[in-house]
Amino acid sequence: EVQVVESGGGLVQPGGSLRLSCAASGFTVSSYYMNWVRQAPGKGLEWVSVIYTGGTTYFADSVKGRFTISRDNSKNTLYLQMNSLRPEDTAVYYCARELSSGPDYWGQGTLVTVSS
Amino acid sequence: QTVVTQEPSLTVSPGGTVALTCASSTGAVTFTNYPNWFQQKPGQAPRALIYSTSNKHSWTPARFSGSLLGGKAALTLSGVQPEDEAEYYCLLYSGGGRVFGGGTKLTVL
Repeated sequence: EVQVVESGGGLVQPGGSLRLSCAASGFTVSSYYMNWVRQAPGKGLEWVSVIYTGGTTYFADSVKGRFTISRDNSKNTLYLQMNSLRPEDTAVYYCARELSSGPDYWGQGTLVTVSS
Repeated sequence: QTVVTQEPSLTVSPGGTVALTCASSTGAVTFTNYPNWFQQKPGQAPRALIYSTSNKHSWTPARFSGSLLGGKAALTLSGVQPEDEAEYYCLLYSGGGRVFGGGTKLTVL
């Protein structure tokens, strides 16, 4: 059964850092494009980042230069390293597998709160 | 940065048909934007419905269909059920990135 489970969220002060993890089962992370998507409280979905099978990465303008995406093939896990966090980064962060130009399987998300 | 626009809200009667649309600020939406559609209910993660304009996932009910219509991507629900009340988001591919629309709140009344 395909499953992705996010973890690593929590409360962090503005300017701080956090690393989110997305543990995958039922498929190999390195064989798929993998995305991070976030949703601020009461707001819509915002695409954050993608990593391709070959390692190419893309980011939304709102996080470019502050966030990095990576994966650990030995752990079958996707990561999102978030630096210089701002209050507007407060959101539930979802990881989603992408197949045939479309995110198909999503996790339940992990909440990141940036506040002093 | 591409802006993707959806109707903020729509209302449909049970058993009726409704079309939700998705427009791009850069021009007509085409198949190269690989339009995707997602359903989200309160307190739940998004669920994928349609990918690459009109392809359904194995779990997508037959009453959902995707298309291109008048320069926009469209999601049509035929024979709407009460459980279809939800927020619907489109996603367009733009360059190497992706952009979500603001969402359409569909009310079944």
